[in-house]
Amino acid sequence: AAGVIQSPRHLIKEKRETATLKCYPIPRHDTVYWYQQGPGQDPQFLISFYEKMQSDKGSIPDRFSAQQFSDYHSELNMSSLELGDSALYFCASSPAGTVTNYGYTFGSGTRLTVV
Amino acid sequence: SQQGEEDPQALSIQEGENATMNCSYKTSINNLQWYRQNSGRGLVHLILIRSNEREKHSGRLRVTLDTSKKSSSLLITASRAADTASYFCLILSNRDDKIIFGKGTRLHILP
Repeated sequence: AAGVIQSPRHLIKEKRETATLKCYPIPRHDTVYWYQQGPGQDPQFLISFYEKMQSDKGSIPDRFSAQQFSDYHSELNMSSLELGDSALYFCASSPAGTVTNYGYTFGSGTRLTVV
Repeated sequence: SQQGEEDPQALSIQEGENATMNCSYKTSINNLQWYRQNSGRGLVHLILIRSNEREKHSGRLRVTLDTSKKSSSLLITASRAADTASYFCLILSNRDDKIIFGKGTRLHILP
């Protein structure tokens, strides 16, 4: 069965560069959530989209932006990267908004290293 | 804070023993989910329990939910080395549909 696909799996960038992370949800899942997990830290919610509109916003820095496209995939754009942005970024998808009787399906994540 | 809290934050037990992890929360919930995360990997959904359920089983996993105490527990019976991972509870609030992660319990199964 198709899962949530994230690309790239690993990314190394220098300080002040930009990065774009992609998330492809499970087919027919219209909601995407982005999380950031620093080394040894718990996941922190960044932002979510439902039907291509931002549905909720968490601790996402102003340097980051995200959008959901017509095919429901989502991209997280990160600019002016800082060393502290090094983390595992993963997305999750779910059907029909956030109220669901099913668990969320998480991607394997993109490991971003800023040097 | 609506943050889910988990205890213990780290747990080491011998293989074959049972492991119990707890999650407490402060909001009213639609459902509560448990996830496992192997080191540096994505989260894997284990089990979901709805607010009107009190107990669920899945293989060696047993989850209980006490909405009056706003707490849940995850029991892994007959632990195995492969159970070594971090375990997170995830709460779906029915007040504002927010998803809240617990702090995670790092479980280490000793051979």
